Amino acid sequence: GAVVSQHPSWVICKSGTSVKIECRSLDFQATTMFWYRQFPKQSLMLMATSNEGSKATYEQGVEKDKFLINHASLTLSTLTVTSAHPEDSSFYICSARGGTGFGYGYTFGSGTRLTVV
Amino acid sequence: AQKVTQAQTEISVVEKEDVTLDCVYETRDTTYYLFWYKQPPSGELVFLIRRNSFDEQNEISGRYSWNFQKSTSSFNFTITASQVVDSAVYFCALVGGGGADGLTFGKGTHLIIQP
Repeated sequence: GAVVSQHPSWVICKSGTSVKIECRSLDFQATTMFWYRQFPKQSLMLMATSNEGSKATYEQGVEKDKFLINHASLTLSTLTVTSAHPEDSSFYICSARGGTGFGYGYTFGSGTRLTVV
Repeated sequence: AQKVTQAQTEISVVEKEDVTLDCVYETRDTTYYLFWYKQPPSGELVFLIRRNSFDEQNEISGRYSWNFQKSTSSFNFTITASQVVDSAVYFCALVGGGGADGLTFGKGTHLIIQP
């Protein structure tokens, strides 16, 4: 079945530094990738949608200059949290699809737990 | 706008009891998909089921069953003879439109199965 690999699983960084999270589709071409954020004991909130070769579309309230998304190839999307602050500490999870129609499922990565100290 | 409501924040039952997790959704789309995911403490999302808006047949998979009722905009999930390993947070999710969008998740129900 479809597999999405997300790295790192967890990361601790100092306030003010940047962190990059990678999301790779291992056995299919991901034309669309989604990035979600989940605060402790809360739901998953969609942050942005990216299509290969295009600029990401951000949900309302998500700072695009802070959360940089690059989807340069059909198998890799990256999320960079720039100038991270403690309030950015969260669980980030990506999801990939092989197409945009309803016939394509959503495959999730295993998530990245970010702690900013 | 789409919305998914899981009114039960936390449910605690004793092992072997049956338990139903409720999910109510709102959408203006005539075509949409509904999902259930399990999230164990490790955090990864485990896919359980996907159901399209035109298929109201109930589904059973082992101890799991789902009841989809468009008339009440509900997609409830029942675990029969619950086990400790079923303890997790369960999310109901929805996608509409042309299927190009990300999922809209409910707030989740934390299910605790006590031995």
